[in-house]
Amino acid sequence: EAEVAQSPRYKITEKSQAVAFWCDPISGHATLYWYRQILGQGPELLVQFQDESVVDDSQLPKDRFSAERLKGVDSTLKIQPAELGDSAMYLCASSRMGANYNYGYTFGSGTRLTVV
Amino acid sequence: TQLLEQSPQFLSIQEGENLTVYCNSSSVFSSLQWYRQEPGEGPVLLVTVVTGGEVKKLKRLTFQFGDARKDSSLHITAAQPGDTGLYLCAGDTSGTYKYIFGTGTRLKVLA
Repeated sequence: EAEVAQSPRYKITEKSQAVAFWCDPISGHATLYWYRQILGQGPELLVQFQDESVVDDSQLPKDRFSAERLKGVDSTLKIQPAELGDSAMYLCASSRMGANYNYGYTFGSGTRLTVV
Repeated sequence: TQLLEQSPQFLSIQEGENLTVYCNSSSVFSSLQWYRQEPGEGPVLLVTVVTGGEVKKLKRLTFQFGDARKDSSLHITAAQPGDTGLYLCAGDTSGTYKYIFGTGTRLKVLA
């Protein structure tokens, strides 16, 4: 069964350092999402790509977060500098859209970030 | 702000019991999904419902979409410890196509 690949699974970094997460969506899924999830809560959208273009980054803290999907396939999410409050699970998902509705997302296993 | 409210927020039951989780909104949804998430993993899609009044079954899980497409329920029959996890409803609202997640229901099934 096709999967969304994410790496690394776990990352511990010191405050003010830079971190990067990588995601490879399901082949053929044009839409890619990065979410942040605090333990016990629902995921919060950070950025949405349609192919290589950003569709929604309204919730992305642009002073420290950046995301790219240069060839419209895999994607990288970067944080620089990391802050203590950035500790969370970072999830990547991809989806295919139907003509009238969303079929649902396939999520990767996530990256658990701990900032110390 | 569009919200998907789930209830209950937490649920701890004994193996073999039945339970129902609710997902409610004031908005109309084009489609609605249910996901289950285990600790340290990403959410896994369980079902998509599209038509008002639609009922879908997945083994011991029964999903229903409200007639007005504003609410949904998940019923689990004879719960097992393997059903333990965070259950999330999510959907895209008609007109805006903005995808939102529910507040989550954390289920623990005790052996």
